Amino acid sequence: AQSVTQLDSQVPVFEEAPVELRCNYSSSVSVYLFWYVQYPNQGLQLLLKYLSGSTLVESINGFEAEFNKSQTSFHLRKPSVHISDTAEYFCAVMYTGFQKLVFGTGTRLLVSP
Amino acid sequence: EAQVTQNPRYLITVTGKKLTVTCSQNMNHEYMSWYRQDPGLGLRQIYYSMNVEVTDKGDVPEGYKVSRKEKRNFPLILESPSPNQTSLYFCASSPIHGLAGGPQETQYFGPGTRLLVL
Repeated sequence: AQSVTQLDSQVPVFEEAPVELRCNYSSSVSVYLFWYVQYPNQGLQLLLKYLSGSTLVESINGFEAEFNKSQTSFHLRKPSVHISDTAEYFCAVMYTGFQKLVFGTGTRLLVSP
Repeated sequence: EAQVTQNPRYLITVTGKKLTVTCSQNMNHEYMSWYRQDPGLGLRQIYYSMNVEVTDKGDVPEGYKVSRKEKRNFPLILESPSPNQTSLYFCASSPIHGLAGGPQETQYFGPGTRLLVL
């Protein structure tokens, strides 16, 4: 069965500290991988995506994620977080040949001063 | 501006009173989808549509209906809402992938509709 696991429901961190949000998916067949961000009281926005090519992808606001096929993971990292990064982050996978995105349960990133 | 719009944004209703949440996109996308978001469960797909008059069930279709009479609109209908349908609902759209036949990799989400069923 297709599934996406985000083990951490909440990650508290201090401002300027590094952070890693973990994401694992269930299958090793061809996939497209995404991280979406949801700021308080807003809809989902695409943060970054892996479709093919370089396994390391970056967003415009300093986040990066690395596709690891052998470990079926797509962890999200940022070397130094800001207060404004406080949001919920969803990992999502599209299995090629299937007509939907499968979402993880989300990780709430709480950045404190 | 390219966007997906949903109405209403907030709705409080009572058990059994039929309601419709509208979704409209101005990007000429073939693929549209409805999700519900619940704490601890993430987003789950309710229904999707590959094109006009083509709809199919997602993971949690019970208690919902959809229609796709026009390409731009994809309303979500709750014929007899129940309290367990209290949730945050998102509509999304994307073009169809030319080779894979499914939605393209990036879906565009609406702002969400927060529904409370008493």
